[in-house]
Amino acid sequence: GAGVSQSPRYKVAKRGQDVALRCDPISGHVSLFWYQQALGQGPEFLTYFQNEAQLDKSGLPSDRFFAERPEGSVSTLKIQRTQQEDSAVYLCASSYRGRGGYTFGSGTRLTVV
Amino acid sequence: RKEVEQDPGPFNVPEGATVAFNCTYSNSASQSFFWYRQDCRKEPKLLMSVYSSGNEDGRFTAQLNRASQYISLLIRDSKLSDSATYLCVVTPGGGADGLTFGKGTHLIIQP
Repeated sequence: GAGVSQSPRYKVAKRGQDVALRCDPISGHVSLFWYQQALGQGPEFLTYFQNEAQLDKSGLPSDRFFAERPEGSVSTLKIQRTQQEDSAVYLCASSYRGRGGYTFGSGTRLTVV
Repeated sequence: RKEVEQDPGPFNVPEGATVAFNCTYSNSASQSFFWYRQDCRKEPKLLMSVYSSGNEDGRFTAQLNRASQYISLLIRDSKLSDSATYLCVVTPGGGADGLTFGKGTHLIIQP
């Protein structure tokens, strides 16, 4: 596609519920990143894929967070047993090997109630 | 210490004025530098890259001082549409990938 597509755009989850957030990067982009942006803060790095390989997951806040990109294109960020502190905007970005800039999706706004 | 630090503002500036803000970074091996713009409830979008020699794009000028590890952004003849949050972004050195963001500086241009 022309841009990075994320779905759903908004998600309200009850505390304890599992959620799955989808990112469809720009076709041909090798690198894919997930970021978490809390209100009033800059985006914080969560994890990074190069093709299907997850090269860095140091930013995942707990073992409730899991990301995958099994075929090197679409990626899913899964959050198990959601907590209120997980409420944030989750941004996905892709790039061609980190060169030529990074394109962000519109994000998924997760609210845990 | 945060890797990338910015004054969060808000900076309230009258339309037509010149405004400048800085950002400092802690990793001396950082390789690439950018300013991103983020509008309320929107995703960050690349405003401009920052080069050691300084670079200009219309009303926007960015400069990098590697010795002092700071980056600056200057906006001349500010417009109402410049109101946004400006994010300072660096990439690590050593072949690593990814972006490290500052918290952003909130700019409000007033009519």
